[in-house]
Order: sequence, then C-alpha cells, then structure tokens
Amino acid sequence: EIVLTQSPGTLSLSPGERATLSCRASQSVGSSYLAWYQQKPGQAPRLLIYDVSSRATGIPDRFSGSGSGTDFTLTISRLEPEDLAVYYCQQYVSSPFTFGPGTKVDVK
Amino acid sequence: EVQLVQSGAEVKKPGESLKISCKGFGYSFTSYWIAWVRQTPEKGLEWMGIIYPGDSDTRYSPSFQGQVTISADKSINTAYLQWSSLKASDTAMYYCARRGGREYFESWGQGTLVTVSS
Repeated sequence: EIVLTQSPGTLSLSPGERATLSCRASQSVGSSYLAWYQQKPGQAPRLLIYDVSSRATGIPDRFSGSGSGTDFTLTISRLEPEDLAVYYCQQYVSSPFTFGPGTKVDVK
Repeated sequence: EVQLVQSGAEVKKPGESLKISCKGFGYSFTSYWIAWVRQTPEKGLEWMGIIYPGDSDTRYSPSFQGQVTISADKSINTAYLQWSSLKASDTAMYYCARRGGREYFESWGQGTLVTVSS
C-alpha cells in the first residue's frame, strides 16, 4: 500500500499570500496518478486537481498542482478567506487508493 | 448537474445490521463507477471499494474486504453500503463519490454519519 505524507500539518497565512502544500509518496505514483481535494468544515471533499496538474471543473486558476514520482505540490497563488479548509492528496496508481492525512490551511 | 444524495444519519447498536444508500441524479448512473470512502478523525479518508452499476463489478480495499458489502440497483440509480454486524469501530462519516476518468473522485455525496454505540 502506498503511504502519503503531507506537510506542513497546518499552514497559517494572510489573504493574498501564496500557500505551498507538499505531498510525498512512499513509492512512485508516476507523473499522472495524483489528485488534490479541498474539504471545508462540515462539507464533503471537493476535487481540485487530478492527474497531478489538471484543474477540475469550476476550480479557479489560483489553484495549481505539480510534481512527479514521489513529490507533489499544491500551490494556492493568492489566498482568499474562503480557502480555509483541509487539503488532501490522493494517489490512484495502485489499489488500495490512499489519501494523505491532510494539511489544514488557516487564513488569518 | 451531477448530484449524489445519501441517506440520513444512523445510530445503531453493536451487532446490528445496516444498509446506507447513495442515489445519483443528473447523469447516466450505469456509466460511472461509484466509490465509498470512510472518514474518521483517527484514520482520515479511506477508500473502501468501488462498484460499476452497469454490471455490478465490484472491487474492495483489502482493509474492508469481508467487512462490508457494496451493491447497486441500477433500476433506481442507487448504490449501497451495508454491514451485517456493526462494531463500535464502524462509527464514521461515509461518503459515496463518482469516479472521474481514473480513480479520482469528481463528485461526492453529502455524507452519512453512522454512529455505533451500546
């Protein structure tokens, strides 16, 4: 089973700042098989990014994904107050399809 | 608009059985895989398994194989997750989610909270 770790655990930034979230895999997930989700308090997760860098429908372009192999990054270029959430990465190169533990983004 | 609507919260006792549901709206239900995902504070998000409602082809995570049953009734656009004998450790929020082009999940239900307590 591929284990995903995310860092930092919590990120506290001001509106307008850039957020950089990391996801590391215990083995390679290639260059395509990674997604990112946003979960706001009391809500279901929402797909942000799939196939490492493709934005899901309706996702603003301030969200971007990059990486390959075992190291991936989600960047929020200019934080907005509504970006307060926990962000999860997920690999789908091999079953069982696993999620990271999440990074909580606090918007001051 | 694609929507997955899940059944309501449940409170059960250990040893009881339970079946929760996920109904799809706004798309061809038989053409997309539906997954079930468990969320707990201790273990986070866990993929449990997935079903293709068109032919009921089902795959399970090894962690959940034999512990739950995933099924679907394509005549009413509904997928199910069921337990024959609940344990306290089954207490969690359960989400259904529609698979995208690969095994990522592009649409999610609102979640069903299952509480198992004596």
